[in-house]
Amino acid sequence: DIQLTQSPYFLSAFVGDRVTITCRASQGISSHLAWYQQKPGKAPKLLIYAASTLQSGVPSRFSGSGSGTEFTLTISSLQPEDFATYYCQQLDSYPLTFGGGTKVEIK
Amino acid sequence: QITLKESGPTLVKPTQTLTLTCTFSGFSLSTSGVGVGWIRQPPGKALEWLALIYWDDDKRYSPSLKSRLTITKDTSKNQVVLTMNNMDPVDTATYYCSHRTGYYGSGSYSGLFDYWGQGTLVTVSS
Repeated sequence: DIQLTQSPYFLSAFVGDRVTITCRASQGISSHLAWYQQKPGKAPKLLIYAASTLQSGVPSRFSGSGSGTEFTLTISSLQPEDFATYYCQQLDSYPLTFGGGTKVEIK
Repeated sequence: QITLKESGPTLVKPTQTLTLTCTFSGFSLSTSGVGVGWIRQPPGKALEWLALIYWDDDKRYSPSLKSRLTITKDTSKNQVVLTMNNMDPVDTATYYCSHRTGYYGSGSYSGLFDYWGQGTLVTVSS
């Protein structure tokens, strides 16, 4: 199984801050990585797929980069509605796996 | 638009079999490249992928749960059913179903889960 390790586990930031979350894969997954945002009591929402392609309707302050084993999700200017937990998922091989999540909270 | 909704029992006893139904609209599970997956999330924990069924009836399971899971589809009813036997309290979680589609990028074909149901909380307790 491909393990995905997200860092940090928890992040405290101010509105307007630039935030970066990292996802490392235990083996190469090309660009077959997606990022999701999840708010309490809600289903995950797809933000980015193919490592860097913004899903339709997602604000442009979200961006993704990386390939192989190291990936990043960046929020260029954190907004109040961005406080949530973020997950990466690899879709390169079965079993499909998720990272452990990064909780972004207001400082 | 695409919608999915999970249904099933909210409480099951240990050793019982859980049957969850995902009823969807806005797409057909007979369209090439389309699939429906199941993902669960124990309270306060991370997401865990369980199973995926494709338009051509190809089925994929999490190896750690494969012996307990069965996924089937009824294309005419727009439903996907997941059964999990021998339920245990550690299986307490919110269970989600999700629409899977495919795309070509960076010279290869892959998938993504772009629409999700609201989830259903299943508690395993005697």
